[in-house]
Amino acid sequence: QVQLVQSGTEVKRPGASVKVSCKASGYTFTSFGISWVRQAPGQGFEWMGHINPYKSYTDYAQKFQGRLTMTADTSTTATTTFYIELTTLRSDDTAVYYCARDYDFAWGSWGQGTLVTVSS
Amino acid sequence: QTVVTQEPSLTVSPGGTVTLTCASNTGAVTSSSCPNWFQQNPGQAPRALIYRATNKHSWTPARFSGSLFGGKAALTLSGAQSEDEAEYYCLLYSGDSWVFGGGTKLTVL
Repeated sequence: QVQLVQSGTEVKRPGASVKVSCKASGYTFTSFGISWVRQAPGQGFEWMGHINPYKSYTDYAQKFQGRLTMTADTSTTATTTFYIELTTLRSDDTAVYYCARDYDFAWGSWGQGTLVTVSS
Repeated sequence: QTVVTQEPSLTVSPGGTVTLTCASNTGAVTSSSCPNWFQQNPGQAPRALIYRATNKHSWTPARFSGSLFGGKAALTLSGAQSEDEAEYYCLLYSGDSWVFGGGTKLTVL
């Protein structure tokens, strides 16, 4: 089973950028992708995008195009680290950001979540 | 814009059976919508239960099952236990993007 471990809590000012990481390990084949999702306080989930570095594929939700960048580092054996960077932060970007394994339309393991707070 | 609708809340008795549903405003939910179901407890990350409508993960308790019925995706819990009290979310693939339902708060009482 793939384990996903995310980076820690972030506090940012409006207008700043944030970069969140998601380290994947425990997989036996290198062909899976990751979706990024966020959950605002007390709210539901919002899909942000998907990346599969093994297929050189990224797909951004229209809402985040131009402000979100998804990348991945596959240089380390047995682990892959995925990143999202969200720019021009606003107060309504305050949320818990999750990575989740997403392969062939099947969602599996989730990271523990990263709280990003945007406040002046 | 796709909107995915779930029952806001449901109650089931311990040992009872309950079905949660997931509908789309764009039409019938089919296998091409690739429904996924998740369970979330307060303060925790979601846990995947069902993928592609009917498939269970290795960690999914046998009492959970997924189906397509009446133009909706469905999650059925048979033999509810107190630890099943949680929020449940469905996820559909629609037009090159994923859309979550608003969640169902399941109470076991």
